[in-house]
Amino acid sequence: QVQLQESGPGLVKPSQTLSLTCTVSGGSISSGSYYWSWIRQPAGKGLEWIGRIYTSGSTNYNPSLKSRVTISVDTSKNQFSLKLSSVTAADTAVYYCARDSSGWLIHWGQGTLVTVSS
Amino acid sequence: DIQMTQSPSSLSASVGDRVTITCQASQDISNYLNWYQQKPGKAPKLLIYDASNLETGVPSRFSGSGSGTDFTFTISSLQPEDIATYYCQQYDNLPYFGPGTKVDIK
Repeated sequence: QVQLQESGPGLVKPSQTLSLTCTVSGGSISSGSYYWSWIRQPAGKGLEWIGRIYTSGSTNYNPSLKSRVTISVDTSKNQFSLKLSSVTAADTAVYYCARDSSGWLIHWGQGTLVTVSS
Repeated sequence: DIQMTQSPSSLSASVGDRVTITCQASQDISNYLNWYQQKPGKAPKLLIYDASNLETGVPSRFSGSGSGTDFTFTISSLQPEDIATYYCQQYDNLPYFGPGTKVDIK
């Protein structure tokens, strides 16, 4: 059973870059035809899809965040990562990683809270 | 981009009631529509995929229907453990979520 776990700093200063890593266990990140996605959720609000990376390395990003987002994969560590630059308080949220099977987000991490504050 | 709307944004119902949530897409998405349940402090859980297919292990009181632009999610008999927020999600192109419907017990 595949499992995902987010990790990274819980506090980021405004204007800096938010960096998170998702570690995948129970299967190889490079096997199968999957996208590896990031989704976020501000407190009390809905889910916002941030972007995804395919096993081939190709990426898709939410147009509203595209200029600030980079998603990458490290197959040797079975991890994929999110970088979000120039953060503001509006980027404070719980960040989830998930495996996307052709649009079905079945496997999710537990989520990690990132607060943007000085 | 495809925009998703959901209604109502919240509802209160009694145990045993039939609960219906609607989701509308801004353009035809065929049946590329999923429904998720999210309980407080937890990650979302896929309940229905491809508009009407029940994910393995999900109780049969949950169901979905629709195609094109209009979709419906139904709980046939609301149970206390169904208290959650429900999201539709389209994947015709990129996977965008609807705004969610919060379901409470009256």
